[in-house]
Amino acid sequence: DTEVTQTPKHLVMGMTNKKSLKCEQHMGHRAMYWYKQKAKKPPELMFVYSYEKLSINESVPSRFSPECPNSSLLNLHLHALQPEDSALYLCASSHVGRLVTDTQYFGPGTRLTVL
Amino acid sequence: GQQLNQSPQSMFIQEGEDVSMNCTSSSIFNTWLWYKQDPGEGPVLLIALYKAGELTSNGRLTAQFGITRKDSFLNISASIPSDVGIYFCAGRRGGETSGSRLTFGEGTQLTVNP
Repeated sequence: DTEVTQTPKHLVMGMTNKKSLKCEQHMGHRAMYWYKQKAKKPPELMFVYSYEKLSINESVPSRFSPECPNSSLLNLHLHALQPEDSALYLCASSHVGRLVTDTQYFGPGTRLTVL
Repeated sequence: GQQLNQSPQSMFIQEGEDVSMNCTSSSIFNTWLWYKQDPGEGPVLLIALYKAGELTSNGRLTAQFGITRKDSFLNISASIPSDVGIYFCAGRRGGETSGSRLTFGEGTQLTVNP
């Protein structure tokens, strides 16, 4: 099973709202990722967690706050977002990367619209 | 930052035609991946290539890892309407121990006319 699940599928929020995106995988992967993707563009890496610890933050604004409560779950907490933050947010997971075969598998994404 | 040059940017073909797209880089990657993305969905892994010179097939898809490790191509034979979508190549250097970092191409938008 190579399934990564994400909820919700769609989210509309105002600039003063607080919301969270959720991601789950049961492949035994110990690396999990958040990406942001604009229309017709490749995914842009935001955060990487390895063994439940934040290992990479690609200079993402603090209005995005990631959390990895356990090895299967990854959250992205959103607060005071801007309309330009509207995008498809993708979660991915993989083994931690020691092997050349450690490949990333993506979830279906959450389509976020900020009004 | 690091970029992959993916071409063509878009393709409009008739059902039944073969398709070829490629990615090139100025530096070496140790893994090449090809993903397909349907509108509103996440990228789905089509083929993973792990050795220079490797030629791998997955049904009507064939991909090759260039011998110089700086390029890869993807071929789709006998295209069908459900092949429509955006195809992304991605390269990975490898050897990380805290999660892997992928470099993506800009994507090839494929349209198949029935």
